[in-house]
Amino acid sequence: AQTVTQSQPEMSVQEAETVTLSCTYDTSESDYYLFWYKQPPSRQMILVIRQEAYKQQNATENRFSVNFQKAAKSFSLKISDSQLGDAAMYFCAYRRAQGGSEKLVFGKGTKLTVNP
Amino acid sequence: DAGITQSPRHKVTETGTPVTLRCHQTENHRYMYWYRQDPGHGLRLIHYSYGVKDTDKGEVSDGYSVSRSKTEDFLLTLESATSSQTSVYFCAIRSPGLASNEQFFGPGTRLTVL
Repeated sequence: AQTVTQSQPEMSVQEAETVTLSCTYDTSESDYYLFWYKQPPSRQMILVIRQEAYKQQNATENRFSVNFQKAAKSFSLKISDSQLGDAAMYFCAYRRAQGGSEKLVFGKGTKLTVNP
Repeated sequence: DAGITQSPRHKVTETGTPVTLRCHQTENHRYMYWYRQDPGHGLRLIHYSYGVKDTDKGEVSDGYSVSRSKTEDFLLTLESATSSQTSVYFCAIRSPGLASNEQFFGPGTRLTVL
């Protein structure tokens, strides 16, 4: 079974600084998708960024970028120029590429605090 | 928000009572999911559906049942609620037409079982 591990239960960063959240996963599949979701206090799950395993290029969305290391099964999220609104729980998630009904497997989350 | 609503948004009930949570979507998405979120566990899949009347179990399905008689509605039922089912419940959808293969989530339902 696939597993996703987020080893940092909590992280903090100063406003305008850069922070990296770690995620590792375990799978025997070669084709899959990886996601980072943000959950602010409102509880809404918001997709931050996605990565297709077959793509070597790391995904980037404005201030958010990933470092995808397929061989190491690592998928870290870098937040640049951190803003107060970035404070939230962040979840890493994995999904197999084969099978339309495939579920997301989530890590336990990292709580990010942004200090002014 | 991909047109997903959940009802109720909050519910307090007593042990042993039946509870039904509703997920409603307006965009004919084929796949629908129910997750629960608990501190220290992230989100875990309860049940999912891949079409009308087509459902299957997830990793934490004990004590839950689901039904999908229409494309737009996916119901989660706790036949006899227990305190261990106190949680936040999220519905999600996915459409094969979405190139990103991402799932979109509803706003969540906070259920407290006393």
